[in-house]
Order: sequence, then structure tokens, then C-alpha cells
Amino acid sequence: DVKVTQSSRYLVKRTGEKVFLECVQDMDHENMFWYRQDPGLGLRLIYFSYDVKMKEKGDIPEGYSVSREKKERFSLILESASTNQTSMYLCASSLAGPSYEQYFGPGTRLTVT
Amino acid sequence: QKEVEQNSGPLSVPEGAIASLNCTYSDRGSQSFFWYRQYSGKSPELIMSIYSNGDKEDGRFTAQLNKASQYVSLLIRDSQPSDSATYLCAVNIDGGSQGNLIFGKGTKLSVKP
Repeated sequence: DVKVTQSSRYLVKRTGEKVFLECVQDMDHENMFWYRQDPGLGLRLIYFSYDVKMKEKGDIPEGYSVSREKKERFSLILESASTNQTSMYLCASSLAGPSYEQYFGPGTRLTVT
Repeated sequence: QKEVEQNSGPLSVPEGAIASLNCTYSDRGSQSFFWYRQYSGKSPELIMSIYSNGDKEDGRFTAQLNKASQYVSLLIRDSQPSDSATYLCAVNIDGGSQGNLIFGKGTKLSVKP
């Protein structure tokens, strides 16, 4: 079974804090993704990575950065958290092909006050 | 702008009935299609993948793909209250060389006992 884990289920941070969200997968997947999910807006891609040390911007990268130093780990960093970054953050991973099935972690509900 | 469209619902069906969920997509180059189930407060869970025109059955679930019409659907037979969830349709982009998916905003299904 594919297993994707995320460092926290719930997180409360203050405006201006630096926030680290970590994601680990155990299936040797090449691709890893960070999404945020908000009511009415669906899943929006923040960043993705298709190899170690590689990263690509998704649809909404502003205010975020990522790090992938090891194949199994993909971190999302909020450099200076703001209230509009309050959201559910979802990590996913997939093989590079031919199947692109993405498997999600349990999510982190982040609240910025 | 590549899009995946779903009726947001809610779709309400009685227990034991067939639930039919529909999805249309704009990218003619898409080759991979997925259905995810998401319970309230939880992360999306992959339930079906389909890559070729026609039907694919897995237990009570049947995915149907028509690439000419750019249409994919999910049928749930003998619907149960436990099937009540939001169902997300996802489609790969441009043949998906990097595995990126576009997600629809989901259809909320309610199965009434």
C-alpha cells in the first residue's frame, strides 16, 4: 500500500511566522505535489517536484517555497504566514509514468491567526 | 485554460439506487482519468483509474470514458449511505509527462437510507 504521511494534522500559527509542512512517501515515487484546498475553489496546485532538488511552480506559488533534498521527502514552507494562507494543505505523490495515479496524505489543516 | 467540469450537486439518491456522476474535460490530449472520493474533513482517496475508451468495472463502481466527447463518468451501483462523499474527477494534462493532474471541484453525493 502506498503511504503518504504529513507532519501534522492540525496546526495553528501566528501571522508572520515561518511555517514548515513536511510530507514523506514510502513508495519510491518520483513525483510529489503540494496542493491547498479551500471551499468552492477546489484543489489548487502550489508546487510540484519530479526529481530530487527539482521543483516547478504550480498555479498559486506566491508566498510559498518548497524543498526536496531526498526522494521521499517534500517540504512546503510558508516564509511569512498570512491569514489568507489558512487552508487545508494536501501532499500527494505519484510515479513518473505510465500511470499518474496520485496518492494523497491525510492533510494538514493550517490556521493562521 | 484547461478545465475539468463537474456538477457540484448535491446529488441525492436513495439507498440501493445507481448514482451517476459526470465530468467533462477540455484538453483533447489527456490520456489518464481518475475518480477520487473525499469524505468531509478527509483527504481524497483514489477509487478508479481509466485510460481507454469504454467501461471499467471494479466492484460496485464503473468508470466510463468517451474521449471523442471528452466525457468521463462514474456509476455507483447499489448505493450505500457510506458512499455519501464528494467525488473528484481528475485528468492528466498534455499526455502528462510530469504527472500533473487537473481536478474538478467535485460533486457532492448524498445517499439517503
